[in-house]
Amino acid sequence: KAGVTQTPRYLIKTRGQQVTLSCSPISGHRSVSWYQQTPGQGLQFLFEYFSETQRNKGNFPGRFSGRQFSNSRSEMNVSTLELGDSALYLCASSLDPRSDTQYFGPGTRLTVL
Amino acid sequence: DQQVKQNSPSLSVQEGRISILNCDYTNSMFDYFLWYKKYPAEGPTFLISISSIKDKNEDGRFTVFLNKSAKHLSLHIVPSQPGDSAVYFCAAYTGNQFYFGTGTSLTVIP
Repeated sequence: KAGVTQTPRYLIKTRGQQVTLSCSPISGHRSVSWYQQTPGQGLQFLFEYFSETQRNKGNFPGRFSGRQFSNSRSEMNVSTLELGDSALYLCASSLDPRSDTQYFGPGTRLTVL
Repeated sequence: DQQVKQNSPSLSVQEGRISILNCDYTNSMFDYFLWYKKYPAEGPTFLISISSIKDKNEDGRFTVFLNKSAKHLSLHIVPSQPGDSAVYFCAAYTGNQFYFGTGTSLTVIP
């Protein structure tokens, strides 16, 4: 089985721009979660989607949004980028929200200049 | 509010010795705990897990210990190998959401 894929792997944007990141989960997995990783902060939960519905949302501003499509692929969008949004954005998939193990993609490294 | 804490940002160990990585949590509702390993430029990969009804789980060189009364989790790697050099994240699960620690960077010195 192919693993979780994320595109693009690297992205450079400037302040004020918006960005869209994409995640394709493992085939058959219907739950997708997004995390932000910054040095010293670990993995901070952004949101989780299941069956095209957002199930959970972390403590991030409304500039961070996401969606999930019928094929379980997910996108996250960040609008009005700030320097502090520079981070590694990780997507994780699992069979369903009750699964106790998540499988991570390689991440998208976003740099905001 | 960091509900899962890894207080040691880094750890260095000689090859062949034991590596002990620690994790503390605050939420007594956590019922499942996991350790992930992360190499640079890769996503975290699942390493080992433990249910809250157990106090120990082994998988080869890796053993996870859970002390529920102390709300403390540890990962033992014996013997440590240079390929174990990576960042290790502990995570806790409520049945609804995962919470991750800040990570400990392990360096195994040949």
